Amino acid sequence: AQSVTQLGSHVSVSEGALVLLRCNYSSSVPPYLFWYVQYPNQGLQLLLKYTSAATLVKGINGFEAEFKKSETSFHLTKPSAHMSDAAEYFCAVSDAGGTSYGKLTFGQGTILTVHP
Amino acid sequence: GAVVSQHPSWVICKSGTSVKIECRSLDFQATTMFWYRQFPKQSLMLMATSNEGSKATYEQGVEKDKFLINHASLTLSTLTVTSAHPEDSSFYICSARAQPKREGLYEQYFGPGTRLTVT
Repeated sequence: AQSVTQLGSHVSVSEGALVLLRCNYSSSVPPYLFWYVQYPNQGLQLLLKYTSAATLVKGINGFEAEFKKSETSFHLTKPSAHMSDAAEYFCAVSDAGGTSYGKLTFGQGTILTVHP
Repeated sequence: GAVVSQHPSWVICKSGTSVKIECRSLDFQATTMFWYRQFPKQSLMLMATSNEGSKATYEQGVEKDKFLINHASLTLSTLTVTSAHPEDSSFYICSARAQPKREGLYEQYFGPGTRLTVT
């Protein structure tokens, strides 16, 4: 069984400040990990993914995440927040190893607010 | 890039009626599609996994007779909410997984979602 915990349902930062969204996972097999962004009334857009290659993963829009096995974490960061980053962010873990991405289990989501 | 569409984007129906939601992969073939439900201010919950040409696999607690899923082709899956009730009001999102030998192998691509309101 797999699970994802996102610490903090709401995160608020000032424009230009560091963004840090926390994600911890639980998995009985080597995980594939994902971060998605969702804007209001829209589907999900993939920001980045970890698939057992480099532990530091760079994604779109300046986001990156680091896989830390010892801490079972996959926190999402961005050095400088932009107003357009305001959205809800979901961390997800896949149940399949090998070369196949299986079903996704999502965290509860973190709403990011960016203040001018 | 891979695009997944959903139709309709929103629908309002009366209690007791049925509603069909379509999920299409526009530029790739999807052997597997997933259907999720998202209640307000909550995360996505997987309802079922749909494989082309076979019966869908439902998650625990999801009524298969109420949420009918058909995956008749490699580019189309449909979710029919039968005898809808107000508690079925939700945001329904599908995703499609590309079949092998495509760049971005096994990536899941999400549709824009369908907002269902049952009155």
